[in-house]
Order: sequence, then C-alpha cells, then structure tokens
Amino acid sequence: SQTIHQWPATLVQPVGSPLSLECTVEGTSNPNLYWYRQAAGRGLQLLFYSVGIGQISSEVPQNLSASRPQDRQFILSSKKLLLSDSGFYLCAWSVINTEAFFGQGTRLTVV
Amino acid sequence: ILNVEQSPQSLHVQEGDSTNFTCSFPSSNFYALHWYRWETAKSPEALFVMTLNGDEKKKGRISATLNTKEGYSYLYIKGSQPEDSATYLCAFSSGNTGKLIFGQGTTLQVKP
Repeated sequence: SQTIHQWPATLVQPVGSPLSLECTVEGTSNPNLYWYRQAAGRGLQLLFYSVGIGQISSEVPQNLSASRPQDRQFILSSKKLLLSDSGFYLCAWSVINTEAFFGQGTRLTVV
Repeated sequence: ILNVEQSPQSLHVQEGDSTNFTCSFPSSNFYALHWYRWETAKSPEALFVMTLNGDEKKKGRISATLNTKEGYSYLYIKGSQPEDSATYLCAFSSGNTGKLIFGQGTTLQVKP
C-alpha cells in the first residue's frame, strides 16, 4: 500500500534561519508531488509541484524553493526564513486524475 | 492564474439539517474536480474525483454534482451529523499535468 511520510510535525525557527522539510512516498512510482501551505484562515495554496525527478514548477514567487532529488522524495527549503513563512505545510502525492494523498503536515512558526 | 472559489466560507447547522456547498472553477481546459474533507488535526481525505460533465457521485449521506460547461460543482450532505463537522475543500485540475488548485474551503459546524 502507498504511504506518505512528512517531517517534522512541528518546527519553531528564528527569522533568518534555514529550513528543510522532507517528504517521502512509498508504494508508488513516478507520482506527482506537491507542497501546499495553509496560511491562517485560508485554504491550501499550491507552492510547488513536480511531475518527475528534477522537474519543479513554482506557483508563487516566494522565499522558498523545492527539490526532488529522487523519484519519491520532495524537499521544501529556504535559505533565510521570514516571519511570513509561518504556516501549516502539507506534502501530497497523486497520479493524474486520481485522488491526492496528504502527509500529516508541518506546523512552522518563525519567531 | 486559476481561481477556485468556494461558498459559503463557513456554515453552522443543526444536527439533521441538510446542507450544500458550491465550488466554482474555470470552465476552460477542465480535467478533473476533486472534493476533500479535512478534519481538525488530520490530513485532508478525498471524497470524490469527478471528470465528466453531469457526473454525480455519492458516498453515504454525501453526494456531489459536476457542471464543467458552466464551471461549478455542488457538494450535498443529507441529514448532517456532528461528525460531519470539518472543512470541505474542492480542487480543480486543468490540462494533463495533474496540478491541483484548491479553493479556500467551506468550514461546516454541525451542532447536536
């Protein structure tokens, strides 16, 4: 069966520090991978999605970047965090036209 | 920019009431429309994935319809129960990339 792992669950980081959130998928090959963010009181904003290794589409200009070094690994990074990067981050995977499966999420607080 | 709009933003109903939400999306280059249920402290879980105009899907007391020509989908909950309390998200997929764009969600609170 397919599973998705996302970590850490919570993170408190000072402004200006780097960020690395990791997501791995098991039990499927060549999935579409996504990073979403839920800002307070809002829905899910698509940050990045990837259809294959090394293929990253950025949806909104921001202080974050993503990488897909392996087929089932998706990493969200920042060199220097801003206060506005605080939020709830969700990783997800899907195959085209089937449902998306989500990780447990990371609550990031930048202080 | 693809916009997916959901209404209402929030809804408070009594146990036993039936309710419905709306999702509007761009009608051009449609590929699929998804509905998800997101409970507090959990991950979003899929309810339906619909691809054909006129599609109607049902899961227990929850059903959904799809109109791709006019760009809207309805989610219905019959006889709401407290355990239905959650945020309901719709997501739109265009083209063949599988990119999923979510609406802002409708938060449902069902009072016993």
